[in-house]
Amino acid sequence: DVKVTQSSRYLVKRTGEKVFLECVQDMDHENMFWYRQDPGLGLRLIYFSYDVKMKEKGDIPEGYSVSREKKERFSLILESASTNQTSMYLCASSLANWGVSGYTFGSGTRLTVV
Amino acid sequence: ELKVEQNPLFLSMQEGKNYTIYCNYSTTSDRLYWYRQDPGKSLESLFVLLSNGAVKQEGRLMASLDTKARLSTLHITAAVHDLSATYFCAVIQGAQKLVFGQGTRLTINP
Repeated sequence: DVKVTQSSRYLVKRTGEKVFLECVQDMDHENMFWYRQDPGLGLRLIYFSYDVKMKEKGDIPEGYSVSREKKERFSLILESASTNQTSMYLCASSLANWGVSGYTFGSGTRLTVV
Repeated sequence: ELKVEQNPLFLSMQEGKNYTIYCNYSTTSDRLYWYRQDPGKSLESLFVLLSNGAVKQEGRLMASLDTKARLSTLHITAAVHDLSATYFCAVIQGAQKLVFGQGTRLTINP
């Protein structure tokens, strides 16, 4: 069964901390994505990557960076966490030709910044 | 810029009734996806619609696509409580990413 695994379901971090959210997929997908989901705002794209070491800004990249050193792993980095980054973070991956599922999503990480 | 709009955003209905969720998108796209999200969970894929007139059915859910009208519908037949969830449609933009609708929160009451 295809899988996208996010390293943590719940995280609590302090303001100013550097935070790493890890995402690993075992499907040999080319594309990987990071979204955040907030009530009333839907899903907003932070960054995406269509190849190793490649990255593209999404709609809300400010305050975030990403790393993709290996095809299967896409990391989201909050350089200095702030309370307005409290959110549900969803990682997704897809084939380059999208396939029948489009995205396969991870289970999500609920991050609270205090 | 591609915009995807769903309506209604909230829908409360009784078991056994039929209803339809609408998804409009603003620019041409060659495929549309429907996803389901249960409370506190991630999104799971329901359907992909690849061409004009495409229709997919799974149980009490049926999705259709009209590319000329830039409209997809998700029809619920004889709703049951287990279908309570938030439903998202999504359209490919520029062959690079999916753009999602706002989601429709569906509550089915006994």
